[in-house]
Amino acid sequence: DSGVTQTPKHLITATGQRVTLRCSPRSGDLSVYWYQQSLDQGLQFLIQYYNGEERAKGNILERFSAQQFPDLHSELNLSSLELGDSALYFCASSPSAPAHEQYFGPGTRLTVT
Amino acid sequence: ELKVEQNPLFLSMQEGKNYTIYCNYSTTSDRLYWYRQDPGKSLESLFVLLSNGAVKQEGRLMASLDTKARLSTLHITAAVHDLSATYFCAVDMDSNYQLIWGAGTKLIIKP
Repeated sequence: DSGVTQTPKHLITATGQRVTLRCSPRSGDLSVYWYQQSLDQGLQFLIQYYNGEERAKGNILERFSAQQFPDLHSELNLSSLELGDSALYFCASSPSAPAHEQYFGPGTRLTVT
Repeated sequence: ELKVEQNPLFLSMQEGKNYTIYCNYSTTSDRLYWYRQDPGKSLESLFVLLSNGAVKQEGRLMASLDTKARLSTLHITAAVHDLSATYFCAVDMDSNYQLIWGAGTKLIIKP
């Protein structure tokens, strides 16, 4: 158990809908990262927050947005969902130490039908 | 642009054999991470390599880092079926704590 929690574990929704994925980082970690992993694909970095502020953006679609709240939990919002958005979405966290090892949550499996 | 290349991307091997997975990266970095992912599961940190010449071992897995060659290796000794998984390497970008990920090596070990 990495200490990173994600909810929900599974999500099934229809095209055009909007969903929110939630992540709580390890205690003391200030950075939160979001990744998308489609079937048999590698990790696609979406976005990073550090202590409430956006720090880096990867291949995140305009239909997707995220935020990190004062208590450091983060939410990833996915809107106007398409079939191709079906994937595993991982949240990871890291401490603010020089070693930037990331600790991954269990993931949310999103299925868009 | 920092690129990380793993090879091979797919490896099928017999139990008891030795093999090495390679992770090459394109720019200077002295921090590299190896992760394991079982199908449908999350990523688990295996090794953290923080300096040139770093070598870490855990069971049948050994990872090393050569920052001058911009190369890390993950060596598997006397493979067993339980090591079947996808292995990712990731390199540290100095700015923003972002990691740059390899594509992953899918390892299948046959009894």
